[in-house]
Amino acid sequence: ETGVTQTPRHLVMGMTNKKSLKCEQHLGHNAMYWYKQSAKKPLELMFVYNFKEQTENNSVPSRFSPECPNSSHLFLHLHTLQPEDSALYLCASSQPPGQGATGELFFGEGSRLTVL
Amino acid sequence: AQSVSQHNHHVILSEAASLELGCNYSYGGTVNLFWYVQYPGQHLQLLLKYFSGDPLVKGIKGFEAEFIKSKFSFNLRKPSVQWSDTAEYFCAVNAHSNYQLIWGAGTKLIIKP
Repeated sequence: ETGVTQTPRHLVMGMTNKKSLKCEQHLGHNAMYWYKQSAKKPLELMFVYNFKEQTENNSVPSRFSPECPNSSHLFLHLHTLQPEDSALYLCASSQPPGQGATGELFFGEGSRLTVL
Repeated sequence: AQSVSQHNHHVILSEAASLELGCNYSYGGTVNLFWYVQYPGQHLQLLLKYFSGDPLVKGIKGFEAEFIKSKFSFNLRKPSVQWSDTAEYFCAVNAHSNYQLIWGAGTKLIIKP
């Protein structure tokens, strides 16, 4: 139990489908993140939200659409994905900068996405 | 641009062997340094971290890391590994002025029983 819960754990979708990944954190943090983890590559930061406001979009294609309705919940909406988007998508949370925080991240277990 | 380099993508050791995983970063300012571990099928979790003070930091499960500022390194060590240490290990760095973590590509460690 990490305090960060991701659903679904596994998702298989076709290129024309629309699906969403969900993340919920119970740590009282105000910053939330989406990362993409692919084999043999460094973790790729996709999006950052601080206090529900998007503060980072790391040149992510528009077929990935984040949503952060409150500080505890984060979604990643997926549509018209490509097979190369298959990866493990990780959600993380932290205290945002400026509150004595150091950037330490707390991760969920990830959502394994396969695009056919 | 800041970067983090982990020297080995795969390491295979026998139980009771000593471990050292290399991590070097490129950034000239003050940094925070982290090692995360991802056991098979599990989430990324913090192994240890360095913010300031004693450059030799101890983490969970007998791991330690030494920050050598002159070498821009933060190598992870364990004197005697166990089969349960089989996992992927990630080094990450952020600057005090920018809390965004920069990640290494990871090292997959396999311990033979």
